[in-house]
Order: sequence, then C-alpha cells, then structure tokens
Amino acid sequence: NAGVTQTPKFRVLKTGQSMTLLCAQDMNHEYMYWYRQDPGMGLRLIHYSVGEGTTAKGEVPDGYNVSRLKKQNFLLGLESAAPSQTSVYFCASSHRTGRKNTEAFFGQGTRLTVV
Amino acid sequence: DAKTTQPTSMDCAEGRAANLPCNHSTISGNEYVYWYRQIHSQGPQYIIHGLKNNETNEMASLIITEDRKSSTLILPHATLRDTAVYYCIAFSGNTGKLIFGQGTTLQVKP
Repeated sequence: NAGVTQTPKFRVLKTGQSMTLLCAQDMNHEYMYWYRQDPGMGLRLIHYSVGEGTTAKGEVPDGYNVSRLKKQNFLLGLESAAPSQTSVYFCASSHRTGRKNTEAFFGQGTRLTVV
Repeated sequence: DAKTTQPTSMDCAEGRAANLPCNHSTISGNEYVYWYRQIHSQGPQYIIHGLKNNETNEMASLIITEDRKSSTLILPHATLRDTAVYYCIAFSGNTGKLIFGQGTTLQVKP
C-alpha cells in the first residue's frame, strides 16, 4: 500500500517551460488536492477535485491547470513556468465526508525551482 | 468555509501537556474541526477531528466548546518529536475544499 505518491520529487525548470506533476493514490479516495508551500508559509490550496472528471479552483489557481481523468490520479500542470512558482508542492487525498475514515493523506512533496 | 484563527507560536516543556487553541467563530453546523501537523518539510499528518463531541485517540484529545466557536487540541505528554506546525481546519464535506491557515508553531523544549 503506497498511499499518495508524487512524481517527480525534485525538478528545475527554466522560465517559460512547461511540466506536469503527477499525484497517484491507491486508497480509492474520492477527494484529491494540490497545494503549494512557500518558505515559512502555510499550505495554500491550488486546485482540488471531489471526484473523477471534476475539478475546482482553490485559493491560488492562476498559472496552473489540473485534470482528473482517472479516480486514482490527479495531474497538476504548469503551462509556462515563472520564478514565482518556485515552491514545494504537496498532493493529498481523502475519502468523502460520510465515510468512516475521512482524514487526508499527503504525499512527500515535489520541490520545484524555476530559474 | 469558516476561517480559523490560531496563535502564531507556543512553547511547551517536555513531558507537560500542550494545549493548542483554535477559534472558529463562524463555523457552520456541517463543518468538522480537523487538526493536522507538519514536521519540518514533510507532508502534513492527520491528528484528530470532531464535530460536536470531545474526541480522543492515541495521539491527542480534541475539546470543542458547546457553541462550537472554539476548540483545543491537547497533546497529553509532549515530547521533542511533537515540535511541529499545527493546523486547525474547519472542513465541510459539502464543498470538499480543505483550506490550511498559517497554523501554530509548537516548540517543545527540554
């Protein structure tokens, strides 16, 4: 049981390049989330999904796109990376409310640097 | 989504109880109070959650006031390994939106 797995763990991008971060969970969770965390700050919600095929904007969605074509995967895309997107990105997943265990499980993070 | 307010930082002596407060005065009836913590740069870890009643598990206790406008997370015997940032969250399954605030940095001292 791997839990929540993020790929890659580290990445350096040049300004203007694009990339996709992959989040995979094997717990059959309905909800999935993408966060960013800047140094000394709390986690800020970028986008989230409450089910396969659905996505919604969080607190800081600009500059990012997401897709959830399969229940177990949640992809975060940066179309044209900017230095302001240098951050640590966390993915999380959880069961929907009403299930017995509704706590969120987090991945180990992806450290992204845009130069 | 209800906003939560927590102190920026707290200290606690090792072996003593750590009591972390959280205000959520605008919490709605269907919002749960969740607590997570983040140690160093790791992903946050779930601690406990509750709706109305007090809750206890192997990690901590959660005390929610009767009017649900505030709560306290209690770590009964804090250790150095409990040094972390603790986040209090008001979460509604209706929206699914899980918002973290700035949290409380707990420093457990020898």
